[in-house]
Amino acid sequence: DSGVTQTPKHLITATGQRVTLRCSPRSGDLSVYWYQQSLDQGLQFLIQYYNGEERAKGNILERFSAQQFPDLHSELNLSSLELGDSALYFCASSVGVEGASYGYTFGSGTRLTVV
Amino acid sequence: GNSVTQMEGPVTLSEEAFLTINCTYTATGYPSLFWYVQYPGEGLQLLLKATKADDKGSNKGFEATYRKETTSFHLEKGSVQVSDSAVYFCALATNQGGKLIFGQGTELSVKP
Repeated sequence: DSGVTQTPKHLITATGQRVTLRCSPRSGDLSVYWYQQSLDQGLQFLIQYYNGEERAKGNILERFSAQQFPDLHSELNLSSLELGDSALYFCASSVGVEGASYGYTFGSGTRLTVV
Repeated sequence: GNSVTQMEGPVTLSEEAFLTINCTYTATGYPSLFWYVQYPGEGLQLLLKATKADDKGSNKGFEATYRKETTSFHLEKGSVQVSDSAVYFCALATNQGGKLIFGQGTELSVKP
């Protein structure tokens, strides 16, 4: 157990629907990162939050949004889902804002299947 | 832009064979370099890292040396085990925020 908790583990939904993925960071970590892993695109950085504030944005679609709450858990909202959004979505956390510089801790992911 | 290129898999080896997985990078400045491992059905785990040129990262028998002159960070292990079967990702971090840039991953399969 890495200490980063993601729910649900699996999600199957229809095109056009909206889903919410949840992430609880490791205790003491203030930064949360979201990544998308797909066969064609590999691992792509979506967005980073630090202590409730958005800090960095990657290749995140306008249909996707995220937030980090005062208790530091984060949610990734995916709307108007398309077949191509089917992927593994990973959350990671780190203590500081520059977590990538020393490596961060990943959760086990949420597998989203859009049918 | 910044990028990471890994050798394509899958790589299939017999137990106790020598492993090399090649990784080269393109980056401005002086990135930190990482190897992450993903076991089936699990998230990524940090395997090792190096933060400056000529640093050697090591863990669980795996090693990688940060070579600035060849912009490489090849992963090596002297004797692989069946339990090393996984997907290995090379990654870099620049000095610009929390983003990690990953290679495409290399699947390793070790047969008894």
